[in-house]
Amino acid sequence: DADVTQTPRNRITKTGKRIMLECSQTKGHDRMYWYRQDPGLGLRLIYYSFDVKDINKGEISDGYSVSRQAQAKFSLSLESAIPNQTALYFCATGTSGRNNEQFFGPGTRLTVL
Amino acid sequence: GESVGLHLPTLSVQEGDNSIINCAYSNSASDYFIWYKQESGKGPQFIIDIRSNMDKRQGQRVTVLLNKTVKHLSLQIAATQPGDSAVYFCAENMGSYKLIFGSGTRLLVRP
Repeated sequence: DADVTQTPRNRITKTGKRIMLECSQTKGHDRMYWYRQDPGLGLRLIYYSFDVKDINKGEISDGYSVSRQAQAKFSLSLESAIPNQTALYFCATGTSGRNNEQFFGPGTRLTVL
Repeated sequence: GESVGLHLPTLSVQEGDNSIINCAYSNSASDYFIWYKQESGKGPQFIIDIRSNMDKRQGQRVTVLLNKTVKHLSLQIAATQPGDSAVYFCAENMGSYKLIFGSGTRLLVRP
């Protein structure tokens, strides 16, 4: 079984709809991250969490919110989706190791019409 | 190997040849550098890392070189195989949590 899972894998929605992307991990890591990937661009950090009570904004948090329901679960919400939020979204986990290696889920492809 | 805007650089190599993928990083204070491989439809996967006090590190068929003078990182893949076709990202560790990712290079392996 995959260590980091994301649901759904694909989603098409309309402008103004509320969308939730879910992430679960079995790696036992404290740190979880949400990234966005656009064609030709690197991964950009939306939100990150070091533990259940610790939530922090990344570089592109506007229009997004998150919830860390448990150590193993970290969800990303788009309260009112807009077309420029069409992208590939990745959840990742990590430890406080020196290299800060992160482990990625398979991604969710979101299209906002 | 750096991308500008929406254009993803592409490296095309013949199967069996060696591949060299380049990356320029921005922060002299970064203490670790990581290479990730992203296959189509999948999330990025760790390949190899290197600490800033090293200039070379070898793995299985892969070697990473670090030149701190010019802030340059390269990934060398020996005897490139079709399964190596993917997008490759470098990432620099800039602190206790933050990885800064490059925009990636697409590697295409010709049979």
